[in-house]
Amino acid sequence: GQNIDQPTEMTATEGAIVQINCTYQTSGFNGLFWYQQHAGEAPTFLSYNVLDGLEEKGRFSSFLSRSKGYSYLLLKELQMKDSASYLCAVRCTRDDKIIFGKGTRLHILP
Amino acid sequence: EPEVTQTPSHQVTQMGQEVILRCVPISNHLYFYWYRQILGQKVEFLVSFYNNEISEKSEIFDDQFSVERPDGSNFTLKIRSTKLEDSAMYFCASSEDPAGGEQFFGPGTRLTVL
Repeated sequence: GQNIDQPTEMTATEGAIVQINCTYQTSGFNGLFWYQQHAGEAPTFLSYNVLDGLEEKGRFSSFLSRSKGYSYLLLKELQMKDSASYLCAVRCTRDDKIIFGKGTRLHILP
Repeated sequence: EPEVTQTPSHQVTQMGQEVILRCVPISNHLYFYWYRQILGQKVEFLVSFYNNEISEKSEIFDDQFSVERPDGSNFTLKIRSTKLEDSAMYFCASSEDPAGGEQFFGPGTRLTVL
């Protein structure tokens, strides 16, 4: 079966760093996404990892280890607007079926 | 900046009625998708569409669902006979090339089935 696990909720302080982990077991793998979703809004793309390693994009970085079925999203210099759900999603096939995790709700405290 | 648009933003319908949800993908994109998200739950893949045909669909996408690209700009999701459990937010997404990664999501249509 397909399974993507990530913590349900996390809390961090403004200005700090937080790491959101994701583990996956899927029947195929063609890349891993991280999306941000504010309540009542559509997901917005943050990152896409296909190969092992770290991808950095401004305050956000994403890491992938395919052998471990593991990824993390690292958010630096947290801002209040970063309060949102962060969705880990795996592209299982070349035809682009994407399986989403349940999301991690991140609360930022002042 | 180009964006995916969806109409209507909110649709209320009676159980058993047909609904059509509309999407206008980004103009140079070739790959189109529908997802749904039941309130408080995860985003679920419904279907992907490329070259005027379905390329992949989930077990949710049964015979009650269909998709169509009726012209060069619109991409529609039809639910033939709605059920209460179809109440959800429906997101359309498009991408230029799946290998490139990013799918751009529309703002969603909230479907309420009474």
